[in-house]
Amino acid sequence: KAGVTQTPRYLIKTRGQQVTLSCSPISGHRSVSWYQQTPGQGLQFLFEYFSETQRNKGNFPGRFSGRQFSNSRSEMNVSTLELGDSALYLCASSLAGARNTEAFFGQGTRLTVV
Amino acid sequence: AQSVAQPEDQVNVAEGNPLTVKCTYSVSGNPYLFWYVQYPNRGLQFLLKYITGDNLVKGSYGFEAEFNKSQTSFHLKKPSALVSDSALYFCAVRGVNTGTASKLTFGTGTRLQVTL
Repeated sequence: KAGVTQTPRYLIKTRGQQVTLSCSPISGHRSVSWYQQTPGQGLQFLFEYFSETQRNKGNFPGRFSGRQFSNSRSEMNVSTLELGDSALYLCASSLAGARNTEAFFGQGTRLTVV
Repeated sequence: AQSVAQPEDQVNVAEGNPLTVKCTYSVSGNPYLFWYVQYPNRGLQFLLKYITGDNLVKGSYGFEAEFNKSQTSFHLKKPSALVSDSALYFCAVRGVNTGTASKLTFGTGTRLQVTL
């Protein structure tokens, strides 16, 4: 069974640009969450989607947005990139988003903003 | 609000010795607790979880964790460490009674270094 797939693995963008990251969950999983990992702030929750609806959102500015498609694949978008957005962005999927189920993570997209 | 504390930035242990990586949590109501491991330039890999029942939970690669409700702790253990266990370990909590919120709250991570 294929795991969570994130594309691209690496990205270099310039300040002010926008970026779109993609996540394909494990087959059959309907919940997709996004996390940002930085050395200073650690792992921080961005948002969660379930059945194409945003179910939960972390404390990030409106420049960070996401969506989920009918096949459960998800994208996140960051507009007007800032240097501080440089991070590893991790996507996680779970079967139905129930709180007692573990989330399975992709390998992440390493975003560097210059 | 829920939170996790991992008091040690790094744990050093010799191969073959037992290891413990500490985790304490704070959450309203009963917790769901998880341990993940991260190798360099990789995502997080699930190790084990505590949902309910037996306080000693067994997981992947010989790891286990002990849930202690009175001390609000969920320490990760392994009887005999391997060099290949060297990685970054994260403890995470998710509240049972937090409405529809399903986000995981992670600790800051503990780097485990196992030496020969």
